[in-house]
Amino acid sequence: KNQVEQSPQSLIILEGKNCTLQCNYTVSPFSNLRWYKQDTGRGPVSLTIMTFSENTKSNGRYTATLDADTKQSSLHITASQLSDSASYICVVSAMDSSYKLIFGSGTRLLVRP
Amino acid sequence: ETGVTQTPRHLVMGMTNKKSLKCEQHLGHNAMYWYKQSAKKPLELMFVYSLEERVENNSVPSRFSPECPNSSHLFLHLHTLQPEDSALYLCASSQDVGGGTDTQYFGPGTRLTVL
Repeated sequence: KNQVEQSPQSLIILEGKNCTLQCNYTVSPFSNLRWYKQDTGRGPVSLTIMTFSENTKSNGRYTATLDADTKQSSLHITASQLSDSASYICVVSAMDSSYKLIFGSGTRLLVRP
Repeated sequence: ETGVTQTPRHLVMGMTNKKSLKCEQHLGHNAMYWYKQSAKKPLELMFVYSLEERVENNSVPSRFSPECPNSSHLFLHLHTLQPEDSALYLCASSQDVGGGTDTQYFGPGTRLTVL
């Protein structure tokens, strides 16, 4: 069964610190993996997308990595800001039906001053 | 952020009411989607439309009825809902349903509460 699991479920860090969020997936055949950021009361916004051949992708202070062999991805946030407080959702699509995205439950990040 | 809009942003309705959710995309996309997001659960795909034709109905109860009059507008008609239908309903659009690296752009959602 195609699944995406994220850890931790929630995380609290101090402003300025770094953090890493994890994503494991069992989706096959793999097409691509996205990280979305969802602010409270808003829709998800795409941060990065990686295909099978890519193992790292950056978007400002956000850096995503992908290990297609172990089926793991991580999202690293550098020098966190209060505005980084949000849910971060790992989303994987399969080659045979790419519009059917498989969503993780998300990691809720709280950045405190 | 304003590429996909949804109204209303909040809705409270009784189980016998009939209401509709509206979504509009200003991105010139051909595909539109309805998702349900319940607390602490992954997003669930409900319906997919491509060029106004429904291509996916993901085992959604008939009390949810979608309508896509054109490629820019999508509605979700609600009737005789249950309290467990309370959730955030998200609309999204993408260039096509072909997938690949095509990104889905989400609206802000409608927070629905069924009493």
